[in-house]
Amino acid sequence: AQSVTQLDSQVPVFEEAPVELRCNYSSSVSVYLFWYVQYPNQGLQLLLKYLSGSTLVKGINGFEAEFNKSQTSFHLRKPSVHISDTAEYFCAVRRHFSNTGNQFYFGTGTSLTVIP
Amino acid sequence: DVKVTQSSRYLVKRTGEKVFLECVQDMDHENMFWYRQDPGLGLRLIYFSYDVKMKEKGDIPEGYSVSREKKERFSLILESASTNQTSMYLCASSPRQGAGQPQHFGDGTRLSIL
Repeated sequence: AQSVTQLDSQVPVFEEAPVELRCNYSSSVSVYLFWYVQYPNQGLQLLLKYLSGSTLVKGINGFEAEFNKSQTSFHLRKPSVHISDTAEYFCAVRRHFSNTGNQFYFGTGTSLTVIP
Repeated sequence: DVKVTQSSRYLVKRTGEKVFLECVQDMDHENMFWYRQDPGLGLRLIYFSYDVKMKEKGDIPEGYSVSREKKERFSLILESASTNQTSMYLCASSPRQGAGQPQHFGDGTRLSIL
């Protein structure tokens, strides 16, 4: 079974401070992990993805995430946030089925609020 | 760039109406998905389709149906709208194969049922 847990529903942080958004997954098979961002009244945009190789993945807008297999985690980080980073962030895992193809499982989201 | 277009950004309907939400993608993706998004619940899968005329139920299919007559178009139908179907609806598409292929999302339709 696939599940994704985002431990924090809301994260307030001051502008220019670092932030970490936590994501844990459960899977019995190889995982492919994604972080998406959703700005107000918009759809989801891909921030970054982990497929294999280096466990540190860099994405757009200065975000990065680290895959930790032993802790089954894929936490998202940014060393210095901006007001424009205020958004909802979703962690997702992909699984492939032979008959229906790619399926995606999402966490419940973390609302990041950057305080001036 | 992949473009997923949802026909309406905002929609207001009355209880009992039949409601159609349309989604079109331009990248020849085999898989298309309908989610609803509610505060604190994240994205919940309603239905998905992996080929023309093929569909599978997601986690919350009750009260909804879907139609995929052409590869690029995936429609969500609320057979008889109810107030508890007021929500944000997101359409997405992805290739059927490919480990690194993410989903691509439309901008969403905010549906209010009065």
